[in-house]
Amino acid sequence: DAGVTQSPTHLIKTRGQQVTLRCSPKSGHDTVSWYQQALGQGPQFIFQYYEEEERQRGNFPDRFSGHQFPNYSSELNVNALLLGDSALYLCASSTTRREQFFGPGTRLTVL
Amino acid sequence: AQKVTQAQTEISVVEKEDVTLDCVYETRDTTYYLFWYKQPPSGELVFLIRRNSFDEQNEISGRYSWNFQKSTSSFNFTITASQVVDSAVYFCALIYMNRDDKIIFGKGTRLHILP
Repeated sequence: DAGVTQSPTHLIKTRGQQVTLRCSPKSGHDTVSWYQQALGQGPQFIFQYYEEEERQRGNFPDRFSGHQFPNYSSELNVNALLLGDSALYLCASSTTRREQFFGPGTRLTVL
Repeated sequence: AQKVTQAQTEISVVEKEDVTLDCVYETRDTTYYLFWYKQPPSGELVFLIRRNSFDEQNEISGRYSWNFQKSTSSFNFTITASQVVDSAVYFCALIYMNRDDKIIFGKGTRLHILP
């Protein structure tokens, strides 16, 4: 049984560019949550997707957007990248009101 | 508002020593879960334990033990006879029960186990 997978593993972008990160949830899970973890900090909640809709959102600007597909996989898009967007982006999957399982993360570096 | 505080930013101990990681939380809700996660250098968050707000029994799993005290809003984690492989960043976290909600993480404690 495959766990949560994320791609790519690492990514380097320059300021102003756009980036798309991908997440495939654990088998049987229908909910995907995204977190940003800056260096030396705990993960911060970005948003959560369920039934292809954004169900909850943390305190992140509209430059951060997402999508969930019918197969429950999800994308995180960040537009107009800033240096401060450099972080580890973690995806977590779950079923309704159950524990979240985390993927290995995508490390984004913005130059 | 909910908040998780891990006052210890970094701890170093010599192998085989016991070490306790502190966690204090704030919440207005009475039904919640508390977690501990381990994050090795690879970056993946590894689930260690989940505790619900109704169960204050201490728990032991091998060399790991957890002390949950609602009276002091604390959920401390002790590693007994530490090993070099325990070196990692450890996060305490909280989520409200019965809601599909976000996890609130502390800032983490970086633990160094010295050989």
